[in-house]
Amino acid sequence: QKEVEQNSGPLSVPEGAIASLNCTYSDRGSQSFFWYRQYSGKSPELIMSIYSNGDKEDGRFTAQLNKASQYVSLLIRDSQPSDSATYLCAVCDSSYKLIFGSGTRLLVRP
Amino acid sequence: SQTIHQWPATLVQPVGSPLSLECTVEGTSNPNLYWYRQAAGRGLQLLFYSVGIGQISSEVPQNLSASRPQDRQFILSSKKLLLSDSGFYLCAWSRGVRTDTQYFGPGTRLTVI
Repeated sequence: QKEVEQNSGPLSVPEGAIASLNCTYSDRGSQSFFWYRQYSGKSPELIMSIYSNGDKEDGRFTAQLNKASQYVSLLIRDSQPSDSATYLCAVCDSSYKLIFGSGTRLLVRP
Repeated sequence: SQTIHQWPATLVQPVGSPLSLECTVEGTSNPNLYWYRQAAGRGLQLLFYSVGIGQISSEVPQNLSASRPQDRQFILSSKKLLLSDSGFYLCAWSRGVRTDTQYFGPGTRLTVI
C-alpha cells in the first residue's frame, strides 16, 4: 500500500521562528508533491507544489524535495499565529493518484 | 479565474435516507473532478474521480456513487446512508494532466444520525 507519512504533532513554535514540517512517501515512482494548509473546519488550500529535487521558495515558504530519500519538507519562516493550522502533504504516485498524509498540526505561540 | 462550488455546506441526515451532494466548477473546461471524504482527525480518502462527462472511476467500494452529467458538474449520491458515511466531503478539480495541482471546494459536512 502506497503511503505518505507525517508526524501528527502538534508542532509548537514561537512567533517569528522557523517551522519545519516533514513528510516521507513510499512510492519511488511519485511524480509531483504538494503542501496544503487546512484550517479547522475548512477545506485544504494549496501552499506549494514541487516537482524536482531541491528547494522551491515562495515568500515565507520553502518546499524541499529529495527523491532519493523519498522525503519532502516545508519550511515556514517568520511564523505567525495565523499560520496555525494542519499542514497536509500530498504525493501524486506512479498511478497518478494523489495520496494524502494525515497532516501535521502546527501551533504558533504569540 | 476558476471557482469551485459545493452545496449544501452542512447536512444532517437520518440513517437510511438518500444523499445528493453537488459540485460545480466555473472558469475552466474539461476539468478532472474528484470526490474525497475526510473523517474526523483523518486524512483525505479519494472516493471517485472523473476525466470527462459520464466517465467515473471508483476508488473505494461502498454505498456511494458519483455521476458527471455535465462537463463542470459532479454529483455524489447514496440511496441509503450509513452512520459510517458521516464526514467532510470535498470536491476538487484539476486540469487535464493528472499530475497537476488539485484545488478544493469549500466542502460539505455530513452528519448521519
